[in-house]
Parts: sequence; C-alpha cells; structure tokens
Amino acid sequence: DADVTQTPRNRITKTGKRIMLECSQTKGHDRMYWYRQDPGLGLRLIYYSFDVKDINKGEISDGYSVSRQAQAKFSLSLESAIPNQTALYFCATSGTGVSQHFGDGTRLSIL
Amino acid sequence: DQQVKQNSPSLSVQEGRISILNCDYTNSMFDYFLWYKKYPAEGPTFLISISSIKDKNEDGRFTVFLNKSAKHLSLHIVPSQPGDSAVYFCAASGRSSNTGKLIFGQGTTLQVKP
Repeated sequence: DADVTQTPRNRITKTGKRIMLECSQTKGHDRMYWYRQDPGLGLRLIYYSFDVKDINKGEISDGYSVSRQAQAKFSLSLESAIPNQTALYFCATSGTGVSQHFGDGTRLSIL
Repeated sequence: DQQVKQNSPSLSVQEGRISILNCDYTNSMFDYFLWYKKYPAEGPTFLISISSIKDKNEDGRFTVFLNKSAKHLSLHIVPSQPGDSAVYFCAASGRSSNTGKLIFGQGTTLQVKP
C-alpha cells in the first residue's frame, strides 16, 4: 500500500464548481504539503501544515483552501474552480528531516 | 522570481555514458539541496541530497556536486541506464530556518537511449 494516497487520481470538472482533493498518509509524519505542477514551472507550494492546528500559506495560495482533519489527512479545496487551476496536484509529507515523500498526484482539468 | 533554476528542459544520453544534470540557485540562505526523480503517473521520489557544508555526496551511481561560490549544483549519473529515463527536479531548503519548505526547479527530462 502507498504511504501517501491521493484521491481522486483524475478529475475533470467545470468552471465554478467546488472541488476537494484528499490526501491521507500512513507514515506518521506531522508535516504535510500541497503542491501543483505546471509544465515548465516545476512544483510550487500551495499550503503546508506542521500539525493539526497549524496551517500556512505557500507560494500560490490564492483560490485554494485546506483542511487538516487529522494528523494523517490533509485536503485541498478549490472553492470556485477556474481553468488556470488545471494542473497536476501533489500531496507530500515529511518528518523531522528535510526530505519529503510524495503521493502519485491528482490530474485536475477544469473546462 | 525563480530561486531555483534548471535551465535545460531535456537531456539525451547513450546508455553507459555519463548524465550530468545542472541546477542553479539565487538564495544564499539555502543550505540543503535535494534531487528528486519522477516517472510518468507517479509522484517525485527522493534520490540524493547534499548539505551546504559539503561539496560532494555519492550514492552508488549517483553523485551530487555543490559549488557554493557559483550557487550551482549538479547531479552525475554514471553509468546511465534506460531505467534512469525520467524527469529530475532539484530542490533547495533553508534548513536552518526549520520551515520544512522546499523550492523546486522546473525539472529536466532525461532520456537514456539503449
């Protein structure tokens, strides 16, 4: 079983819809992250959380919100999706070290 | 403002030869650097890292070199194998700040030809 699981793996939706991407982990890590990947831009940090009570904005948080429901769960929401949010989204976790462990991503298309 | 840059979008090498992937950074506060490898339909996986107190770190076929004065790091893969074909991302962290945040480069697609 994957240590970091993202659902759904693929999603196609329409502009204006509310979307939630979910992430769960079995690594026991306190720190969780959401990134988006766009061609030519690498991975950019959207939000991160160091524990259940801690939420921090990343580089590109506008248009997104997150919820840390438990140590193992970190969800990303797009309240009103727009086409330029079409991207590949990754969840990641880390423990006390610097290295992060990634899920296999959610490919999101907004029409 | 791209703090970590990988200026070569792609690289093609022959099996058995050396692959050299390059990365430049602008922020002198970065003190820890990582390379990740990504296959299609999978998430990035950690490959190798280096602290700013070192100039070289080796793990099997993979070696990372850090030149702090030039703010440049490189990943050497010797010998290259077809299974190394993937997208490679370099990432940097201000470890001493304890933010846990990584700043990624744009990625370089490596193709190793049999």
